[in-house]
Amino acid sequence: QSVLTQPPSVSAAPGQKVTISCSGSTSNIGNNYVSWYQQLPGTAPKLLIYDNDKRPSGIPDRFSGSKSGSSATLGITGLQTGDEADYYCGSWDSSLSAVVFGGGTKVTVL
Amino acid sequence: EVQLVESGGGLVKPGGSLRLSCATSEFTFSRYSMSWVRQAPGKGLEWVSYVSGSSRYIYYADSVKGRFTTSRDNAKNSLDLQMNSLRAEDTAIYYCVRVKGSWYADFWGQGTLVTVSS
Repeated sequence: QSVLTQPPSVSAAPGQKVTISCSGSTSNIGNNYVSWYQQLPGTAPKLLIYDNDKRPSGIPDRFSGSKSGSSATLGITGLQTGDEADYYCGSWDSSLSAVVFGGGTKVTVL
Repeated sequence: EVQLVESGGGLVKPGGSLRLSCATSEFTFSRYSMSWVRQAPGKGLEWVSYVSGSSRYIYYADSVKGRFTTSRDNAKNSLDLQMNSLRAEDTAIYYCVRVKGSWYADFWGQGTLVTVSS
């Protein structure tokens, strides 16, 4: 049981948009930054979004992040087959003095 | 380009020990906090430990506290994870990650597989 809650899977057709939610509490998302990671099959995770809504250099603007209260959302527009991957949210938890992750969301391009 | 290369994984019996290492290059190692993150087969990401640049602050997940020890050698640009009293549930790919800000992992190593089995 993960501290952060994500839907197990989302899907959409090529070119469409998907959103992935990440729900937490005041001890993590509510008072700390959220980051998002993409893990393509058989590879190490890669940073997609940091500090709630910032993209590292090289990450296309099709990927976006937002936060409201104790929840965060990752959006992917113009969905491509290469976006099929597992996506994880993460945050520092001040009560646990630990990093917490969501259980991951598998994105399928129909 | 930042490089993080883990080594030391392998097969170990329950109750045994293993030491993982992470060799880093192409950045000023001492200026960055580091973490270990693991992923059990077919499962999600689980944070294991955190060490600040000076080693002043070290944190562990409850699941490994008292069994695992994280250390770093800033002169050698390396990060270690000493794992004792290993259990079957410690079986996972272990990733070395560079940490920035309040905690996000901007670079990940390729991972090293640890299998705990008799």
